[in-house]
Amino acid sequence: GAVVSQHPSRVICKSGTSVKIECRSLDFQATTMFWYRQFPKQSLMLMATSNEGSKATYEQGVEKDKFLINHASLTLSTLTVTSAHPEDSSFYICSASPLEYGNTIYFGEGSWLTVV
Amino acid sequence: QKEVEQDPGPLSVPEGAIVSLNCTYSNSAFQYFMWYRQYSRKGPELLMYTYSSGNKEDGRFTAQVDKSSKYISLFIRDSQPSDSATYLCAMREGTGGFKTIFGAGTRLFVKA
Repeated sequence: GAVVSQHPSRVICKSGTSVKIECRSLDFQATTMFWYRQFPKQSLMLMATSNEGSKATYEQGVEKDKFLINHASLTLSTLTVTSAHPEDSSFYICSASPLEYGNTIYFGEGSWLTVV
Repeated sequence: QKEVEQDPGPLSVPEGAIVSLNCTYSNSAFQYFMWYRQYSRKGPELLMYTYSSGNKEDGRFTAQVDKSSKYISLFIRDSQPSDSATYLCAMREGTGGFKTIFGAGTRLFVKA
């Protein structure tokens, strides 16, 4: 299957600072990537769809100015949590759907963000 | 009503048992059905991928889709403690730009 890599796997930051999470497709090109948030013992919540070379599409209720998404290349999308607050602490996961794998979704390993 | 319904559990079974995990859905246009396994604090991994109705088997795992009943199942034979995880069903209408809808996930515990 396809491989999606996410970095960092864990990050702790101070309240008010910004944090960047990277999502890379290692063996395929991804024109579209997806960013999810998951609270403990809850299911995935789609935050936004990241489109290479254009603006991301955000789900209803997700603040685009707080969760900045950049998809500058066919293998890399980044999520920046700006002015982070403790309530932003969560598990963030990216995914991609390579065309050559029938658009099946493959997930990254996830990134744990703790804002203190 | 949610588009995809999945009992969150937890489901606890003894080692060696046959596990049945299920999802129901309301959108008759769904054609692609997936099962993901998610270990604690990890990203989900794809277990099974099926198109339309029917069965698909892969080792100890069998996925079933009954589109007439809008019901999908994942069976795990000879369950092992290492199968303890959250199992998410997912589905979408087609390839390309269609959104994938996830179930809430069922937490499974297999006791040694």
